[in-house]
Amino acid sequence: AQSVTQLGSHVSVSEGALVLLRCNYSSSVPPYLFWYVQYPNQGLQLLLKYTSAATLVKGINGFEAEFKKSETSFHLTKPSAHMSDAAEYFCAVSDLGRAAGNKLTFGGGTRVLVKP
Amino acid sequence: KAGVTQTPRYLIKTRGQQVTLSCSPISGHRSVSWYQQTPGQGLQFLFEYFSETQRNKGNFPGRFSGRQFSNSRSEMNVSTLELGDSALYLCASSLQGGETQYFGPGTRLLVL
Repeated sequence: AQSVTQLGSHVSVSEGALVLLRCNYSSSVPPYLFWYVQYPNQGLQLLLKYTSAATLVKGINGFEAEFKKSETSFHLTKPSAHMSDAAEYFCAVSDLGRAAGNKLTFGGGTRVLVKP
Repeated sequence: KAGVTQTPRYLIKTRGQQVTLSCSPISGHRSVSWYQQTPGQGLQFLFEYFSETQRNKGNFPGRFSGRQFSNSRSEMNVSTLELGDSALYLCASSLQGGETQYFGPGTRLLVL
């Protein structure tokens, strides 16, 4: 069974500092990997996804993530934090192929606090 | 295009009642998935519907059920509500499955 581990349920960063959110996964097949962001009282918004193309994936709002197969990791980074980045971030994995449909397994989430 | 819409946005029920939640996917999307989000268990997959058929299912009891209509709109039903069913229920749609899912704002259910 696939699983996702996000290290750190809470992260505090200063405005302008590097944001680094860690995600490790387990999957028996090459996975699709996703990062979603959730603002208060809202649904999930896709930040970026990895689907076996380039290992460095660029997303929206200046975020990027690198797929490292040897480390089974998909860490999310942003060089300079902005106050608007305060939210909860979820890493998710799917090991179903296109024909098999959708079934995301999520990590526990990391809440990011940005200090002025 | 309009995004995924879910109705109602908020709901209060009492134990033992049943509830039906509705989800309208993005136009042209045929796959609809449901997720439950709670502080204790996090985000968990409930089920996915495609072309009016349940294609994938998570580990939830039979009290949780769903269906999909010919226009791809989907409903989920929870019977005999328990306090632990209090959660944010998220619906997500995608074109056919296996690609990016787009999430709705969710329905927040409170069971008293």
